[in-house]
Amino acid sequence: QLQLQESGPRLVKPSETLSLTCTVSGGSSSRSYYWGWIRQSPGKGLEWIGSIYYGGSTYYNPSLKSRVTLSEDTSKNQFSLNLSSVTAADTAVYYCARGTIGGPRWFDPWGQGTLVTVSS
Amino acid sequence: DIVMTQSPDSLAVSLGERATINCRSSQSILYNSNNKNYLAWYQQKPGQPPKLLIYWTSTRESGVPDRFSGSGSGTDFTLTISSLQPEDVAVYYCQQYYSTPYNFGQGTKLEIK
Repeated sequence: QLQLQESGPRLVKPSETLSLTCTVSGGSSSRSYYWGWIRQSPGKGLEWIGSIYYGGSTYYNPSLKSRVTLSEDTSKNQFSLNLSSVTAADTAVYYCARGTIGGPRWFDPWGQGTLVTVSS
Repeated sequence: DIVMTQSPDSLAVSLGERATINCRSSQSILYNSNNKNYLAWYQQKPGQPPKLLIYWTSTRESGVPDRFSGSGSGTDFTLTISSLQPEDVAVYYCQQYYSTPYNFGQGTKLEIK
């Protein structure tokens, strides 16, 4: 059964860079699928951050594009999120998820999520 | 950007009754070349990540009970739970994947009356 697990610092200072890694286990090769990051601010809805495909094709939410970088390490079955110049508004639960073979499209399954707090 | 708007924001339904959640997109998410509407539905229970229920507007994900169904086309879509069960209490989200950014609706909280 495919599992995804987010990892990284839970507390980030304002103006610094938030870095998270998603480790994929128990499933098919990551080379076949798109992968994505979605966040959920406390008590709020879901915001798609971006998606990545093997080989480095990336798709970003324009609202975050200037601050987001996605990367992948297929050999380790991992993909990563860097979000620079964070503010309190970036405090959220960050999820990684698998897209589809045909495109980012829908997301399934999702990791359990990790709460990242931006605070000094 | 395509804005997704759900209604109502919250809904209370009696056990065994039908629950209907609506989702409207600010522009059509019907791709004419394949006649598919690029819409998915998710269920999120407290403390859990969202779970995919339906994609391509009406295709149930494997393992999803058949009391869940999706319908609609163009800009107006509906998620229906035919007979509400206690385990269906959750927040439900629609998501368009027609174009980036892949926006979600604001969510509909479903409770037992």
